[in-house]
Amino acid sequence: DGGITQSPKYLFRKEGQNVTLSCEQNLNHDAMYWYRQDPGQGLRLIYYSQIVNDFQKGDIAEGYSVSREKKESFPLTVTSAQKNPTAFYLCASSNRGASRTDTQYFGPGTRLTVL
Amino acid sequence: QQPVQSPQAVILREGEDAVINCSSSKALYSVHWYRQKHGEAPVFLMILLKGGEQKGHEKISASFNEKKQQSSLYLTASQLSYSGTYFCGTESYGSNDYKLSFGAGTTVTVRA
Repeated sequence: DGGITQSPKYLFRKEGQNVTLSCEQNLNHDAMYWYRQDPGQGLRLIYYSQIVNDFQKGDIAEGYSVSREKKESFPLTVTSAQKNPTAFYLCASSNRGASRTDTQYFGPGTRLTVL
Repeated sequence: QQPVQSPQAVILREGEDAVINCSSSKALYSVHWYRQKHGEAPVFLMILLKGGEQKGHEKISASFNEKKQQSSLYLTASQLSYSGTYFCGTESYGSNDYKLSFGAGTTVTVRA
């Protein structure tokens, strides 16, 4: 089955530690995205990548880093510089055709809690 | 800039109707509607591309007024399964990158 996987579903880390969240897709989508969601709030864009080996900062990139070495993978590292990392993290992917009719599809999310 | 959704929350009894609005200060190319259940990923409902276009998904439909830069989502004869938080995602003109700006969401509670 085609889809987007994120692991783990729940993640606990001590303050000051870096942590990497996994996102893999087998939909053959070119574009991938990372969003952060806090309770009662919408989705805020952290980073996105439209093509392998290229990525751009979103609205709240400070304290995060990404890589895009393979088309199907877009891992997100939450660094110790991120002041309030506890949140629900969602990965998404999309085709980016010329007609701009494609939407974004989301993975199941990773809930990160920093103790 | 994020689109503005209203209302923030709505409570319905089964069979009642509701309207959720999504407004942007920017000219919009498309509006995407999603529904999210608690603790789960947002699920895509529909995309609207042209001014005045309407689409439907079961008894959920939407309209897009390109001139007013706003979209409305209509929940008709609501069912218990319609409960969740509804988000609009907007794509604005002027960017070569494909990215969406999401509203803060509207929480819908349908009661028996």
